[in-house]
Amino acid sequence: AQSVTQLDSQVPVFEEAPVELRCNYSSSVSVYLFWYVQYPNQGLQLLLKYLSGSTLVKGINGFEAEFNKSQTSFHLRKPSVHISDTAEYFCAVSKTGGFKTIFGAGTRLFVKA
Amino acid sequence: ETGVTQSPTHLIKTRGQQVTLRCSSQSGHNTVSWYQQALGQGPQFIFQYYREEENGRGNFPPRFSGLQFPNYSSELNVNALELDDSALYLCASSFGGSNSYNEQFFGPGTRLTVL
Repeated sequence: AQSVTQLDSQVPVFEEAPVELRCNYSSSVSVYLFWYVQYPNQGLQLLLKYLSGSTLVKGINGFEAEFNKSQTSFHLRKPSVHISDTAEYFCAVSKTGGFKTIFGAGTRLFVKA
Repeated sequence: ETGVTQSPTHLIKTRGQQVTLRCSSQSGHNTVSWYQQALGQGPQFIFQYYREEENGRGNFPPRFSGLQFPNYSSELNVNALELDDSALYLCASSFGGSNSYNEQFFGPGTRLTVL
């Protein structure tokens, strides 16, 4: 079975500062990894995904993530955040060829002016 | 191209009642997955329908059931509602079966409150 742990429930940061949201996963088989963003009263939007190949993945809105197999991590980073990045961020995993996605509990990113 | 839509947006029910939530998949998609997102938690997989058949199920009791129609829209039915069923219910559509990666597109969700 797969599981996902998001190490921070809340991350406050000032506008234009860098941010890292941490995610660790557990799986005995190969997986796909994802980061989703959820704005208030909305569904989930895919930020980026790792399927295979290069371990550094670039996504939308200036976000990127690095897949580290030895540390079973998939941390999300952005070099300079904006007020509009305030949202809930979810790390997720699915078994390659599987039918379900397992989500972490989420990290609330709060960007302050 | 129309995105994933869900109805209703909000719903209030009492314990023991039954509820039906609806999802229209994105144009061209034949797979729908349902998730339950309790307050302050990540979404939890309920089940997936592919071409009108249940394709997989998470750890939810049988009182959670679903349907997928020939136009690939879907319903989630929950019988004998419990207080813990209060949550945001998300549906996601994609194209294809489970043997390869297919991006899921999420709807805005239905907020169910059980009193």
